[in-house]
Amino acid sequence: DTAVSQTPKYLVTQMGNDKSIKCEQNLGHDTMYWYKQDSKKFLKIMFSYNNKELIINETVPNRFSPKSPDKAHLNLHINSLELGDSAVYFCASTPGRGVETQYFGPGTRLLVL
Amino acid sequence: QKEVEQNSGPLSVPEGAIASLNCTYSDRGSQSFFWYRQYSGKSPELIMFIYSNGDKEDGRFTAQLNKASQYVSLLIRDSQPSDSATYLCAVRNYKLSFGAGTTVTVRA
Repeated sequence: DTAVSQTPKYLVTQMGNDKSIKCEQNLGHDTMYWYKQDSKKFLKIMFSYNNKELIINETVPNRFSPKSPDKAHLNLHINSLELGDSAVYFCASTPGRGVETQYFGPGTRLLVL
Repeated sequence: QKEVEQNSGPLSVPEGAIASLNCTYSDRGSQSFFWYRQYSGKSPELIMFIYSNGDKEDGRFTAQLNKASQYVSLLIRDSQPSDSATYLCAVRNYKLSFGAGTTVTVRA
């Protein structure tokens, strides 16, 4: 019954590795997001997709590449991981572009060593 | 200047008291305003939204908006230990921008 799910929940990896985080929503929503929450709890939008189309890209390094194979899925691939990438990454969805109630996934806790 | 600023915490209140949280934002074109609650280790959950100037009440929560002053607040009446969490103010223009959050601790 999970509305927005993410895998994995925890990810511990070495600097320089490449990793992916997956997100799926079963709410029938059109818009999906990736947020990064740093150690100071600051939650910042990274990307947004509406019906598989990229609509927001917030000055994120090129090492981060989102992919939306369909409107229910939004994955995040990170190349050449750096220590500063350690954070909690939240996926979220909304019914449409202009509807603001964000439904958040449980988060993926990434630790880069 | 940060897009959304919240009063720095932590805020400690006794059980039954009123907790008052403040938020200011920089973009005058912002259209809607939200308060999210985030328990430790969990994802944010929406507790209130407000679009128009004035007050909006929902149970023990009251959101207040003053667009002229670019100010949003949240009052939690009759605070309970279960209200202990970080409260995130969020503001929408073309995206949702969050403040850094205020951590509230309700002392039993």
